[in-house]
Amino acid sequence: DAGVTQSPTHLIKTRGQQVTLRCSPKSGHDTVSWYQQALGQGPQFIFQYYEEEERQRGNFPDRFSGHQFPNYSSELNVNALLLGDSALYLCASSFGGSPYNEQFFGPGTRLTVL
Amino acid sequence: AQSVTQLDSQVPVFEEAPVELRCNYSSSVSVYLFWYVQYPNQGLQLLLKYLSGSTLVKGINGFEAEFNKSQTSFHLRKPSVHISDTAEYFCAAGGYGGSQGNLIFGKGTKLSVKP
Repeated sequence: DAGVTQSPTHLIKTRGQQVTLRCSPKSGHDTVSWYQQALGQGPQFIFQYYEEEERQRGNFPDRFSGHQFPNYSSELNVNALLLGDSALYLCASSFGGSPYNEQFFGPGTRLTVL
Repeated sequence: AQSVTQLDSQVPVFEEAPVELRCNYSSSVSVYLFWYVQYPNQGLQLLLKYLSGSTLVKGINGFEAEFNKSQTSFHLRKPSVHISDTAEYFCAAGGYGGSQGNLIFGKGTKLSVKP
């Protein structure tokens, strides 16, 4: 059973560009959450998708958007990239989105904005 | 605002010594508490969680944590560490205000186990 997978593993972009990151949840999971982990910091919650809708959102600007597909996979899109968007982006999957259910994390996508 | 504070950014310790990684949270409502471990170039792995019930929680790899409501703490302990425990450890809280699944993380504690 494959765990949570993310692609690509690394990405380099320049300021102003747009980027799309992808996540496939663990088998049997229907909820995907995205987190941003800046260097030396803990992960920060971006948003959560359930039943193809954004169910909850953290304190991130509208430049950050997402999508969940019928197969529960998800994309994170960031527009108008800033230097400060450089970070490790983590995807986590769970079932039902309840805090009772463990979130399983993928290895992350490291985004560098030059 | 809700927050999670990890009091030590780095903890060096010798192999087979005990270790405690400290975590405090701010909350006036019930929360769920978690400890995650992150090895280099990997995602986060759940060590243990407190949802309710017994305040002493046992997790994987010999770790345990104690929930202390009066001190709003959830410190992680291991009686004897191994070289392989070298990693970064994150304390997290969830369930604030009825939220479904987002977690609030501390800034992490880097545990360095020396031979």
